[in-house]
Amino acid sequence: DAKTTQPPSMDCAEGRAANLPCNHSTISGNEYVYWYRQIHSQGPQYIIHGLKNNETNEMASLIITEDRKSSTLILPHATLRDTAVYYCIVRESGGSYIPTFGRGTSLIVHP
Amino acid sequence: GAVVSQHPSWVICKSGTSVKIECRSLDFQATTMFWYRQFPKQSLMLMATSNEGSKATYEQGVEKDKFLINHASLTLSTLTVTSAHPEDSSFYICSADDTGGDSPLHFGNGTRLTVT
Repeated sequence: DAKTTQPPSMDCAEGRAANLPCNHSTISGNEYVYWYRQIHSQGPQYIIHGLKNNETNEMASLIITEDRKSSTLILPHATLRDTAVYYCIVRESGGSYIPTFGRGTSLIVHP
Repeated sequence: GAVVSQHPSWVICKSGTSVKIECRSLDFQATTMFWYRQFPKQSLMLMATSNEGSKATYEQGVEKDKFLINHASLTLSTLTVTSAHPEDSSFYICSADDTGGDSPLHFGNGTRLTVT
């Protein structure tokens, strides 16, 4: 079973920020939070990951709460091309732990 | 960044035939690769974990004799769907583990299998 829960769907206007939440209340101390997205009929694409500090890259920002039980992926200026299913998963660093995917959040960016 | 190449991207085959899907890590060595199956409007479901030089570990409910996995080198894993049936029609996705600290999994672009 997936160790994360996400809202099934969200929508956002083009050009606005999209904030996608994820709950991972049973996360353990050595587990990272990873975000992927999947555009229809393609393989998942890595977005960003973090352990406890907030992270930012060219695609998105990741905000992790202090207790690490939840996180938010932020797409600062959503475009139509950001329409996809977004998955949040947790995984140990360098371990053999196998990540399982929940149902993710289907984000629709509308004009 | 790291790239995983999956081939073919789509295939149509007749019932009873076998289909082989390849997954290659192009610029890193992957001791572990994962195979997922995805039905329409559903999430990725893990089928098996493929370890280089050893037998694959299958998830409960996945028939190992039907879904043959070979991981003969550090850059190549193959999934063969044997005696395919229409219910095997699905989207198959591989991922490779660039085992180095907190490196993310890298995914192939998937293979759309249609069994007629």
